[in-house]
Amino acid sequence: QKEVEQDPGPLSVPEGAIVSLNCTYSNSAFQYFMWYRQYSRKGPELLMYTYSSGNKEDGRFTAQVDKSSKYISLFIRDSQPSDSATYLCAMSALGGTYKYIFGTGTRLKVLA
Amino acid sequence: DGGITQSPKYLFRKEGQNVTLSCEQNLNHDAMYWYRQDPGQGLRLIYYSQIVNDFQKGDIAEGYSVSREKKESFPLTVTSAQKNPTAFYLCASCPGGIYGYTFGSGTRLTVV
Repeated sequence: QKEVEQDPGPLSVPEGAIVSLNCTYSNSAFQYFMWYRQYSRKGPELLMYTYSSGNKEDGRFTAQVDKSSKYISLFIRDSQPSDSATYLCAMSALGGTYKYIFGTGTRLKVLA
Repeated sequence: DGGITQSPKYLFRKEGQNVTLSCEQNLNHDAMYWYRQDPGQGLRLIYYSQIVNDFQKGDIAEGYSVSREKKESFPLTVTSAQKNPTAFYLCASCPGGIYGYTFGSGTRLTVV
Protein backbone atom coordinates (compact mmCIF):
# COMPACT_ATOMS: atom_id res chain seq x y z
CA GLN A 1 0.00 0.00 0.00
CA LYS A 2 1.33 3.44 -0.93
CA GLU A 3 1.68 6.04 1.80
CA VAL A 4 -0.37 8.49 -0.23
CA GLU A 5 -3.17 7.47 -2.58
CA GLN A 6 -4.68 9.73 -5.21
CA ASP A 7 -7.14 8.88 -7.98
CA PRO A 8 -5.33 9.55 -11.28
CA GLY A 9 -8.47 10.58 -13.16
CA PRO A 10 -8.93 12.09 -15.65
CA LEU A 11 -11.76 14.03 -14.08
CA SER A 12 -13.84 16.00 -16.60
CA VAL A 13 -16.24 18.72 -15.46
CA PRO A 14 -18.13 21.53 -17.18
CA GLU A 15 -17.00 25.11 -16.72
CA GLY A 16 -18.41 26.63 -13.54
CA ALA A 17 -18.67 23.32 -11.67
CA ILE A 18 -17.36 22.71 -8.17
CA VAL A 19 -14.45 20.28 -8.29
CA SER A 20 -13.45 18.00 -5.43
CA LEU A 21 -9.98 16.44 -5.48
CA ASN A 22 -8.95 14.00 -2.78
CA CYS A 23 -6.04 12.12 -1.25
CA THR A 24 -5.89 9.46 1.42
CA TYR A 25 -2.83 8.57 3.43
CA SER A 26 -1.69 5.92 5.86
CA ASN A 27 0.97 7.65 7.97
CA SER A 28 -0.62 9.26 11.02
CA ALA A 29 2.57 11.30 11.58
CA PHE A 30 1.82 13.57 8.63
CA GLN A 31 1.15 17.12 9.84
CA TYR A 32 1.77 19.35 6.83
CA PHE A 33 -0.37 19.06 3.74
CA MET A 34 0.10 20.74 0.41
CA TRP A 35 -1.66 20.96 -2.94
CA TYR A 36 0.24 21.65 -6.14
CA ARG A 37 -0.96 22.35 -9.65
CA GLN A 38 1.10 21.13 -12.59
CA TYR A 39 0.51 22.11 -16.18
CA SER A 40 1.77 19.78 -18.88
CA ARG A 41 5.57 19.74 -19.19
CA LYS A 42 5.97 22.30 -16.40
CA GLY A 43 7.09 22.19 -12.78
CA PRO A 44 4.42 22.01 -10.05
CA GLU A 45 3.34 25.26 -8.38
CA LEU A 46 2.15 25.49 -4.80
CA LEU A 47 -1.57 26.25 -4.45
CA MET A 48 -2.41 25.67 -0.82
CA TYR A 49 -0.88 24.39 2.37
CA THR A 50 -2.47 23.48 5.66
CA TYR A 51 -1.13 22.39 8.99
CA SER A 52 -2.84 19.64 10.99
CA SER A 53 -6.63 19.51 10.65
CA GLY A 54 -9.09 22.11 9.45
CA ASN A 55 -9.94 24.22 6.44
CA LYS A 56 -8.12 26.94 4.56
CA GLU A 57 -9.57 29.13 1.84
CA ASP A 58 -7.82 31.18 -0.83
CA GLY A 59 -10.02 32.68 -3.52
CA ARG A 60 -11.74 29.88 -5.41
CA PHE A 61 -9.68 27.19 -3.64
CA THR A 62 -10.47 25.53 -0.30
CA ALA A 63 -8.24 22.90 1.30
CA GLN A 64 -9.62 20.54 3.94
CA VAL A 65 -7.79 18.12 6.19
CA ASP A 66 -9.48 15.37 8.20
CA LYS A 67 -6.73 13.71 10.20
CA SER A 68 -9.10 11.31 11.92
CA SER A 69 -9.98 9.82 8.53
CA LYS A 70 -6.51 10.41 7.02
CA TYR A 71 -8.16 12.25 4.15
CA ILE A 72 -7.48 15.61 2.52
CA SER A 73 -9.45 17.48 -0.12
CA LEU A 74 -9.06 20.42 -2.45
CA PHE A 75 -12.22 22.14 -3.67
CA ILE A 76 -12.24 24.44 -6.67
CA ARG A 77 -15.29 26.68 -7.05
CA ASP A 78 -16.45 28.16 -10.36
CA SER A 79 -13.94 26.02 -12.25
CA GLN A 80 -12.40 27.51 -15.39
CA PRO A 81 -10.77 25.90 -18.44
CA SER A 82 -7.50 27.39 -17.18
CA ASP A 83 -7.81 25.11 -14.14
CA SER A 84 -7.22 22.12 -16.43
CA ALA A 85 -4.02 20.59 -15.07
CA THR A 86 -2.76 17.79 -12.87
CA TYR A 87 -3.23 18.34 -9.16
CA LEU A 88 -0.76 16.78 -6.76
CA CYS A 89 -1.17 16.37 -3.04
CA ALA A 90 1.90 16.24 -0.83
CA MET A 91 2.38 15.69 2.87
CA SER A 92 5.09 15.65 5.47
CA ALA A 93 5.58 14.63 9.07
CA LEU A 94 6.24 17.22 11.75
CA GLY A 95 9.77 18.59 11.78
CA GLY A 96 12.76 16.61 10.63
CA THR A 97 13.98 16.72 7.09
CA TYR A 98 11.09 18.55 5.40
CA LYS A 99 10.64 15.64 2.99
CA TYR A 100 7.28 15.61 1.34
CA ILE A 101 5.58 12.50 0.01
CA PHE A 102 3.63 13.15 -3.16
CA GLY A 103 0.52 11.54 -4.54
CA THR A 104 0.52 10.43 -8.17
CA GLY A 105 -1.68 13.36 -9.20
CA THR A 106 -5.23 13.75 -10.53
CA ARG A 107 -5.65 15.04 -14.07
CA LEU A 108 -8.51 17.58 -14.28
CA LYS A 109 -10.18 18.78 -17.47
CA VAL A 110 -12.59 21.70 -17.29
CA LEU A 111 -14.70 21.82 -20.44
CA ALA A 112 -15.74 25.18 -21.86
CA ASP B 1 12.74 37.68 -10.04
CA GLY B 2 13.61 34.91 -7.60
CA GLY B 3 13.24 31.36 -8.68
CA ILE B 4 14.80 28.06 -9.65
CA THR B 5 16.45 27.57 -13.02
CA GLN B 6 16.89 24.09 -14.44
CA SER B 7 18.92 23.46 -17.55
CA PRO B 8 18.83 22.12 -20.12
CA LYS B 9 15.10 21.78 -20.78
CA TYR B 10 15.68 18.70 -22.94
CA LEU B 11 18.63 16.32 -22.74
CA PHE B 12 19.52 13.25 -24.73
CA ARG B 13 21.89 10.61 -23.39
CA LYS B 14 23.56 7.74 -25.15
CA GLU B 15 23.85 4.40 -23.45
CA GLY B 16 26.81 4.31 -21.06
CA GLN B 17 27.15 8.08 -20.74
CA ASN B 18 27.00 10.18 -17.62
CA VAL B 19 25.03 13.42 -17.87
CA THR B 20 24.65 16.30 -15.43
CA LEU B 21 21.46 18.28 -14.89
CA SER B 22 21.85 21.80 -13.58
CA CYS B 23 19.73 23.40 -10.83
CA GLU B 24 20.33 26.95 -9.59
CA GLN B 25 18.20 28.97 -7.16
CA ASN B 26 18.35 32.60 -6.05
CA LEU B 27 15.73 32.30 -3.32
CA ASN B 28 18.25 31.92 -0.53
CA HIS B 29 16.60 28.63 0.41
CA ASP B 30 18.58 26.22 2.56
CA ALA B 31 17.10 22.95 1.35
CA MET B 32 17.14 21.60 -2.21
CA TYR B 33 15.71 18.45 -3.72
CA TRP B 34 15.75 16.33 -6.84
CA TYR B 35 12.64 14.41 -7.88
CA ARG B 36 11.98 12.11 -10.77
CA GLN B 37 8.51 12.05 -12.36
CA ASP B 38 7.26 9.12 -14.40
CA PRO B 39 3.73 8.68 -15.76
CA GLY B 40 1.46 7.07 -13.19
CA GLN B 41 4.11 7.10 -10.45
CA GLY B 42 4.08 10.65 -9.20
CA LEU B 43 7.20 12.32 -7.87
CA ARG B 44 9.90 10.16 -6.36
CA LEU B 45 12.71 11.64 -4.28
CA ILE B 46 16.24 11.02 -5.57
CA TYR B 47 18.45 13.15 -3.29
CA TYR B 48 18.01 16.11 -1.00
CA SER B 49 20.26 18.58 0.78
CA GLN B 50 19.41 20.68 3.79
CA ILE B 51 22.70 22.52 3.99
CA VAL B 52 25.81 23.19 1.94
CA ASN B 53 28.26 20.26 1.76
CA ASP B 54 25.67 17.80 3.05
CA PHE B 55 23.09 15.68 1.26
CA GLN B 56 21.06 12.52 1.82
CA LYS B 57 19.76 9.75 -0.39
CA GLY B 58 16.10 9.68 -1.16
CA ASP B 59 14.01 6.69 -2.15
CA ILE B 60 15.60 6.03 -5.56
CA ALA B 61 19.22 7.24 -5.29
CA GLU B 62 20.86 4.30 -7.06
CA GLY B 63 22.54 5.40 -10.29
CA TYR B 64 22.50 9.09 -9.36
CA SER B 65 24.97 11.42 -7.63
CA VAL B 66 24.81 15.01 -6.41
CA SER B 67 26.96 17.74 -4.91
CA ARG B 68 26.14 20.82 -2.86
CA GLU B 69 29.23 23.02 -2.87
CA LYS B 70 27.24 26.26 -2.98
CA LYS B 71 23.92 27.19 -1.43
CA GLU B 72 22.57 28.24 -4.82
CA SER B 73 23.49 25.12 -6.78
CA PHE B 74 22.52 21.44 -6.58
CA PRO B 75 23.55 19.57 -9.76
CA LEU B 76 22.40 16.01 -10.40
CA THR B 77 24.51 13.51 -12.33
CA VAL B 78 22.74 10.59 -13.94
CA THR B 79 25.36 7.87 -14.24
CA SER B 80 25.56 4.91 -16.57
CA ALA B 81 24.54 2.75 -13.59
CA GLN B 82 21.00 4.15 -13.82
CA LYS B 83 19.33 1.56 -16.03
CA ASN B 84 16.15 3.42 -16.86
CA PRO B 85 16.95 7.15 -16.80
CA THR B 86 14.34 8.38 -19.27
CA ALA B 87 12.07 10.63 -17.17
CA PHE B 88 11.14 14.18 -16.25
CA TYR B 89 13.49 15.53 -13.56
CA LEU B 90 12.39 18.25 -11.18
CA CYS B 91 14.52 20.31 -8.84
CA ALA B 92 12.94 22.06 -5.87
CA SER B 93 13.97 24.24 -2.96
CA CYS B 94 12.43 25.04 0.40
CA PRO B 95 13.25 27.58 3.10
CA GLY B 96 12.31 25.08 5.77
CA GLY B 97 9.60 25.11 8.39
CA ILE B 98 6.03 24.91 7.18
CA TYR B 99 6.66 26.27 3.72
CA GLY B 100 6.22 24.20 0.61
CA TYR B 101 8.59 23.68 -2.25
CA THR B 102 9.34 25.95 -5.13
CA PHE B 103 9.95 23.87 -8.24
CA GLY B 104 11.97 24.49 -11.35
CA SER B 105 10.51 23.96 -14.80
CA GLY B 106 12.12 20.54 -15.19
CA THR B 107 14.52 18.70 -17.48
CA ARG B 108 13.28 15.95 -19.76
CA LEU B 109 15.97 13.31 -20.16
CA THR B 110 15.75 10.76 -22.94
CA VAL B 111 18.10 7.85 -23.59
CA VAL B 112 18.83 7.33 -27.27
